[in-house]
Amino acid sequence: EVQLVESGGGLVQPGGSLRLSCVGSGFTFSKYWMDWVRQAPGKGLEWVANIKEDGSEKNYVDSVKGRFTISRDNAKNSLYLQMNSLRAEDTAVYYCVRESTSSEGGSWGQGTRVTVSS
Amino acid sequence: EIVLTQSPGTLSLSPGERATLSCRASQSVRRSYLAWYQQKPGQSPRLLIYGVSSRATGIPDRFSGSGSGTDFTLTISRLEPEDFAVYYCQQYSAAPDTFGQGTKVEIK
Repeated sequence: EVQLVESGGGLVQPGGSLRLSCVGSGFTFSKYWMDWVRQAPGKGLEWVANIKEDGSEKNYVDSVKGRFTISRDNAKNSLYLQMNSLRAEDTAVYYCVRESTSSEGGSWGQGTRVTVSS
Repeated sequence: EIVLTQSPGTLSLSPGERATLSCRASQSVRRSYLAWYQQKPGQSPRLLIYGVSSRATGIPDRFSGSGSGTDFTLTISRLEPEDFAVYYCQQYSAAPDTFGQGTKVEIK
């Protein structure tokens, strides 16, 4: 069974930093693109970033470029999101996502909540 | 960036009725990399359809996806009580991946 378990969320002041982690199991982690997707309270889904299987390609939504960094450690089946210079508008539940492929559907974790507030 | 526009914003239907949800892309979605999700309050999104028309594991066959290019449809053939939720489409063919704004299917 595919499982994705996020951790690292919490309350942080504006301008602060937080590092989210996600551990995958039940699949070969190194063979999939991995994403972070967020959902602000009462809002829709927003894709944040993704990273290629070997970490050689990374993409970000414009609103987090220069502030967030996605990375992975395939030896540890782990995905990370380093979030710096946090703003109130970054408040959301952050989901770790294994992307769908042409032949297989993706999977989502349960999410970790990030609150940016003074 | 590919912008996805879902319609209608809200769909009011009764159990047993057919639901048709639309997702229109601002440019062609390559490789058929379009997915549909269902989300209920307090829950993570649940993958229903990937690759435009492939049902995810465990998804009932009353859910079906179709379309190509810029126009895509999610159809629920007969609504069950547990199907009333918010539905999102997503394209993952070109970065940045993007989601539609959602369609709420509510009980009439």
